[in-house]
Amino acid sequence: DAKTTQPTSMDCAEGRAANLPCNHSTISGNEYVYWYRQIHSQGPQYIIHGLKNNETNEMASLIITEDRKSSTLILPHATLRDTAVYYCIVISGTASKLTFGTGTRLQVTL
Amino acid sequence: DTEVTQTPKHLVMGMTNKKSLKCEQHMGHRAMYWYKQKAKKPPELMFVYSYEKLSINESVPSRFSPECPNSSLLNLHLHALQPEDSALYLCASSPQAQTVWGTGELFFGEGSRLTVL
Repeated sequence: DAKTTQPTSMDCAEGRAANLPCNHSTISGNEYVYWYRQIHSQGPQYIIHGLKNNETNEMASLIITEDRKSSTLILPHATLRDTAVYYCIVISGTASKLTFGTGTRLQVTL
Repeated sequence: DTEVTQTPKHLVMGMTNKKSLKCEQHMGHRAMYWYKQKAKKPPELMFVYSYEKLSINESVPSRFSPECPNSSLLNLHLHALQPEDSALYLCASSPQAQTVWGTGELFFGEGSRLTVL
């Protein structure tokens, strides 16, 4: 599976959009981009995933560049409850396991 | 019911004790997973069960012994652990026996925090 690069940490003011970048320059054509987050001392939570097109759900939007070498997770109106570690994971369609990288620690502040 | 339930939430044990962690899901999922997470590190896969059979063992020491008695239940038996085994143990499940990424996702429990003295 392709390797991902994420900033170690980011800050965001409450009510503003949080834009979390992920670089995956070696991604293959059959590999998906998944995002999970982990709030302190809880289990990871699925957020969203995509292959080529931009995706949106009730939690977030995922913007994937046309060359698929990078993506951005957007939380449109961040709240204090969005403070967590966000993991960007690239995984092939038939991979047998999900492997987490180091993620981005997002701190939402008042 | 879209939950993965793990018990106990906290466990303290000595190096000579035998204890077990339990994980339960009632979503009809056919794959279940154990992950281990040390402080400030990402979760690391330990075991995968597919249709109640062990399909992946990530070279985990034998002092960790998984068991899948039925499709809803996953246990992790612990014996002769070391202090460095202290961690958050996460259970997860997914709908298909082998998750087809793009259509599936993992559902995680809240974890069992283990301290080995």
